[in-house]
Amino acid sequence: AQSVAQPEDQVNVAEGNPLTVKCTYSVSGNPYLFWYVQYPNRGLQFLLKYITGDNLVKGSYGFEAEFNKSQTSFHLKKPSALVSDSALYFCAVRDQAGTALIFGKGTTLSVSS
Amino acid sequence: ETGVTQSPTHLIKTRGQQVTLRCSSQSGHNTVSWYQQALGQGPQFIFQYYREEENGRGNFPPRFSGLQFPNYSSELNVNALELDDSALYLCASSFFLDTGELFFGEGSRLTVL
Repeated sequence: AQSVAQPEDQVNVAEGNPLTVKCTYSVSGNPYLFWYVQYPNRGLQFLLKYITGDNLVKGSYGFEAEFNKSQTSFHLKKPSALVSDSALYFCAVRDQAGTALIFGKGTTLSVSS
Repeated sequence: ETGVTQSPTHLIKTRGQQVTLRCSSQSGHNTVSWYQQALGQGPQFIFQYYREEENGRGNFPPRFSGLQFPNYSSELNVNALELDDSALYLCASSFFLDTGELFFGEGSRLTVL
């Protein structure tokens, strides 16, 4: 069965420092991977996706993610964190049927000034 | 380009009642998916509709049902509400079988008392 794991419930980082939010996945076949961000009491906003091609994917708001097939990981990164990046981040993989996204439990990112 | 809109934004029901949630998909999209996000959890796939028919379903009982209309808008109906149905219900639109991202609405927050 396909699944996504986000091993950290919370990540704390100081403004201006680099940030990493971790994600590992388990799929059969080639994975279609996504990162979404959710602000309090809001819907999900798309950040970036990996379908094929370069392992380093660039997305919205300066975020990027690195696809690592051997480690089955898709970590979200940003070189310099902003306080406004504080939010809930979800990693997701498309299911085998192609109809649904399977989400991780989410990681709360807290950026302090 | 019109985004995904959902209504109502908040509602309170009592156990045993029925609820209908509504979603208008993003302009040009022909597929609608519904997700349930319980507090502190990632979204869980309920079902997807394409061409007015259910195209895939997650692990939800039959009392969760849906409709898609010719204009691609959609409804989620939940009968015999239970306390555990309290959650944020998210609608997402996309193109059928597209491997790209889903576009989410802001959600409908349902509280069951």
